[in-house]
Amino acid sequence: GESVGLHLPTLSVQEGDNSIINCAYSNSASDYFIWYKQESGKGPQFIIDIRSNMDKRQGQRVTVLLNKTVKHLSLQIAATQPGDSAVYFCAENTGNQFYFGTGTSLTVIP
Amino acid sequence: ETGVTQSPTHLIKTRGQQVTLRCSSQSGHNTVSWYQQALGQGPQFIFQYYREEENGRGNFPPRFSGLQFPNYSSELNVNALELDDSALYLCASSLDTGGGQPQHFGDGTRLSIL
Repeated sequence: GESVGLHLPTLSVQEGDNSIINCAYSNSASDYFIWYKQESGKGPQFIIDIRSNMDKRQGQRVTVLLNKTVKHLSLQIAATQPGDSAVYFCAENTGNQFYFGTGTSLTVIP
Repeated sequence: ETGVTQSPTHLIKTRGQQVTLRCSSQSGHNTVSWYQQALGQGPQFIFQYYREEENGRGNFPPRFSGLQFPNYSSELNVNALELDDSALYLCASSLDTGGGQPQHFGDGTRLSIL
């Protein structure tokens, strides 16, 4: 079956620092990946995606890196702000299904 | 552009009852997927609907069923509710089925089984 895992369940960073959230995936056939942010009482919010033919993609203050050799995904958040505090999920896409990890809880310390 | 909306936001049921949850997809999206999210866990795929037909199913028993309507809205039905069915039920819509399509989520229905 699919297995998407995160290296760290919790992460605390100082406001203004950069954050890095990691994710391992197991299915080498997965060809599309999304990072979601979920705040308390809300549904997952799309942050950024990347396809398997890319190694890196940048958005506003966020960067996703994909290493297919070791099946690893990371999300980098620049100049982390208090509003970035949330649970972050990576999701891998195989066919029409997305498989989610258990999430990393990011806490930003003012 | 209207996002994904779900109703109700909260629901309390007892074991053995049946429940129907509703979802309106984002404008222009024809594909709806349903997920179950237990506390402290990531969402687990239940099934997907495309053109009013089930188009893929996760590891959930047949008492979890769904419908999609011509306007692309969808329902999730759960029969014979069990205590373990207590969870956040999320609906996600996408432009089309198949891989490589981002899914956009609603805020879910919190279902509690007593």
